[in-house]
Amino acid sequence: EAGVAQSPRYKIIEKRQSVAFWCNPISGHATLYWYQQILGQGPKLLIQFQNNGVVDDSQLPKDRFSAERLKGVDSTLKIQPAKLEDSAVYLCASSSTGTPYNEQFFGPGTRLTVL
Amino acid sequence: AQKVTQAQTEISVVEKEDVTLDCVYETRDTTYYLFWYKQPPSGELVFLIRRNSFDEQNEISGRYSWNFQKSTSSFNFTITASQVVDSAVYFCALTNDYKLSFGAGTTVTVRA
Repeated sequence: EAGVAQSPRYKIIEKRQSVAFWCNPISGHATLYWYQQILGQGPKLLIQFQNNGVVDDSQLPKDRFSAERLKGVDSTLKIQPAKLEDSAVYLCASSSTGTPYNEQFFGPGTRLTVL
Repeated sequence: AQKVTQAQTEISVVEKEDVTLDCVYETRDTTYYLFWYKQPPSGELVFLIRRNSFDEQNEISGRYSWNFQKSTSSFNFTITASQVVDSAVYFCALTNDYKLSFGAGTTVTVRA
């Protein structure tokens, strides 16, 4: 079974530029998560989708971050414009359902460096 | 509010030594789930174990064991006879719904 795919793996941009990350969850997984992991910290949930609907985006900085999950499969996370403090690893995860006891499967992440 | 504290930032051991990772959590809920994840240098988090708040039975899986004590709000993880491949960052996490709250992680380095 293929795991969670993410691209690109690395991205370096200047501040105020835009960037987009892509995630393909495990086939059949209804729930998709985007996390931000700043160096030395644990991942922090940015947004959760159930199929193509948003369940929770309370920690998403909506003035610069946006995310979509068209057709309930792939998802894209965008930052526009980027700030220095956005430098982090962006992790995508998926689970079969959104219930708490379900294991979340993580992708390898996209490491973003904002100069 | 939920909080997970992993007081150990880094642990370095020599191969074959045992290593114990501490995890202390805070929650007001009576029903919750605790997890341990491993993050190797490749970056993806790998699920290790899940425990619900009603199951205090300790668990052993190969060289890994977990000690869950509700009385002290702790869910500690021990690697017995560590190997170089155990080198990674280990995260403890807590949820009462769908949102996982992670600790800051403990970096384990196993030297040959």
